[in-house]
Parts: sequence; C-alpha cells; structure tokens
Amino acid sequence: DVKVTQSSRYLVKRTGEKVFLECVQDMDHENMFWYRQDPGLGLRLIYFSYDVKMKEKGDIPEGYSVSREKKERFSLILESASTNQTSMYLCASRGRGRASPLHFGNGTRLTVT
Amino acid sequence: EDQVTQSPEALRLQEGESSSLNCSYTVSGLRGLFWYRQDPGKGPEFLFTLYSAGEEKEKERLKATLTKKESFLHITAPKPEDSATYLCAVQVVQAGTALIFGKGTTLSVSS
Repeated sequence: DVKVTQSSRYLVKRTGEKVFLECVQDMDHENMFWYRQDPGLGLRLIYFSYDVKMKEKGDIPEGYSVSREKKERFSLILESASTNQTSMYLCASRGRGRASPLHFGNGTRLTVT
Repeated sequence: EDQVTQSPEALRLQEGESSSLNCSYTVSGLRGLFWYRQDPGKGPEFLFTLYSAGEEKEKERLKATLTKKESFLHITAPKPEDSATYLCAVQVVQAGTALIFGKGTTLSVSS
C-alpha cells in the first residue's frame, strides 16, 4: 500500500511566521502535490512537482512556495503566514502511469492566529 | 474551462435505502475519472478509476459507472459506516498530471 505521511496533524502559527509543511511518500512516485481544502470550496491545487527540483504552479500558488530536494519528500512553505491561510492542507503523490490515482496523506490542519 | 460538478451536495439515507451520487464533467479530453471517499479529519481514500464511457467498477456496496458526460456512484443497501464525503475528480489531457476535483457529496446514513 502507498503511504503518504504528513509530518503534523495540527499546527497553530502566528501571523507573519514562516511555516513548513512536510510530506513524505514511500512508493517512489514521480509526481507530488499540495492541495488545500476549505468548506464550500473543495480541493484546490497549490503546487505540484513532477520530478526532483521541478515544480509547477497550481490554481492558487500566491503566498506559498515549495521545495523538492529528494524524490520522496515535498515541502510546502508559507513565507509569511496569514489568517486566510488557515485551512486543511493535503499532500498527495501518484505514479507515472496513465490516469494512475492520487494517494493522499491524512492532512495538516493549520490555524493561523 | 474544465469543470466537475457533483450533486447533490448532501444526501441523507436510511440504512438499506439505495441511491446514487452524480458527477458531471465538462472537459476537453478525459484521461480518467476517479472516485474518492473522505472521512472527517482524514485525507481522501481512493475508490475507483474509470477510463472510458460504458465502464463500470464495483466494490462491496458501491458501483461506479461512466458515460461521456457524467459518472454515477451507486450505493446499494447502505450502512451507517458508508457515511462520508464522496469526491469525484478528473484528469484531463491539457491539465497534465493534476486532477480537477468536484466539491463532493456528503452522505449520511442513519440506522
């Protein structure tokens, strides 16, 4: 079974702090993703990566950056956290095959006060 | 613009009362359609992939079907443990590797 592990289930940060969300997958997947999920808005793609050191912007990249130094690890960085970044953050990975499914971690519930 | 719409937003059923959830899509080129189940406070769990119109997949009380414009998730004789949010997503040719998600249907099954 694919395992996607997010380092924290819950985080509380202050406005203006730099926040790191870490994600590790154990299936040697090329593609990794960061989504945020908000009530009424569904899942929205922030960034994704199709290879080490490669990244692509998703639908809502503003205020975020990412890092992929190793194939198994994909980090989401909030450069200066703001209250409108309070959300559930979901990391996912998928292999290269045609329409292979996304496999998700259990999410990080981030609260910015 | 590629779009995925799920209906209804919420559905309440009695145990044993079969029903269907709908996922309609407007995309330029479908590579695959996915169904996920999400329990509160957890990440989505993969259920099915459908690739082409006419295809069907089954798992326990769930059956997913696909046409050229929509997919249905049929739930037969549901149990309270089937209560969850069900998400539909599509992969389209132009979007590359990312999936486009619908907003989900929240199913509640009472005994």
